[in-house]
Amino acid sequence: EIVMTQSPATLSVSPGERATLSCRASQSIGSNLAWYQQKPGQAPRLLIYGASTRATGIPATFSGSGSGTQFTLTISSLQSEDFAFYFCQQYNHWRTFGQGTKLEIK
Amino acid sequence: QVQLVQSGAEMKKPGASVKLSCKASGYTFSDFYIHCVRQAPGQGLEWMGWINPKSGGTKYAEKFQGRVTMTRDTSISTAYMELSSLRSDDTAKYFCARERVAAANDDAFDIWGQGTVVTVSS
Repeated sequence: EIVMTQSPATLSVSPGERATLSCRASQSIGSNLAWYQQKPGQAPRLLIYGASTRATGIPATFSGSGSGTQFTLTISSLQSEDFAFYFCQQYNHWRTFGQGTKLEIK
Repeated sequence: QVQLVQSGAEMKKPGASVKLSCKASGYTFSDFYIHCVRQAPGQGLEWMGWINPKSGGTKYAEKFQGRVTMTRDTSISTAYMELSSLRSDDTAKYFCARERVAAANDDAFDIWGQGTVVTVSS
């Protein structure tokens, strides 16, 4: 099984600043990585697929990068609605998710 | 609009089975794989398996082999997930999700159901 490790577990950032979230795969997954945002009580929402392609309707403040085993989600100029949980998911071999990063207001 | 609507909350006793439904609308049901993902309270996401609505073919995560069965009824655009031999640690919210790309099972999930809470308690 491919293990996905996210860091940090919690990230405290002030509104208007930039947030950088990391995701590492236990083996190479190419660009077969997605990022999701989840708010309490809601289903996850697809943000990024193919490691760097924004999903439909996702603002340009969200960007993804990386390939192989190291990936990054960057949220520039944080808005109040961006504070949530973020999960990465590999789909190179079946599916596994990272344990998530909680993005909270500093 | 494209959506997945899941059945209501369930409360079960240990050892019982539960069968959840996921009704698709707004697109051709047979064209997109459906996955099942669960989330225990305060925890992360765990992939359980997929079903190809066109063929009925399935693939399950090793952890759930022998306990999970995914089926579908194309006449009503609905996928089902049955989990048997329930334990307290099966208490979770269960989501269905659609594969982003038609006829593929190697991509992200672009549409999610609202989730169904399953509580297992004696």
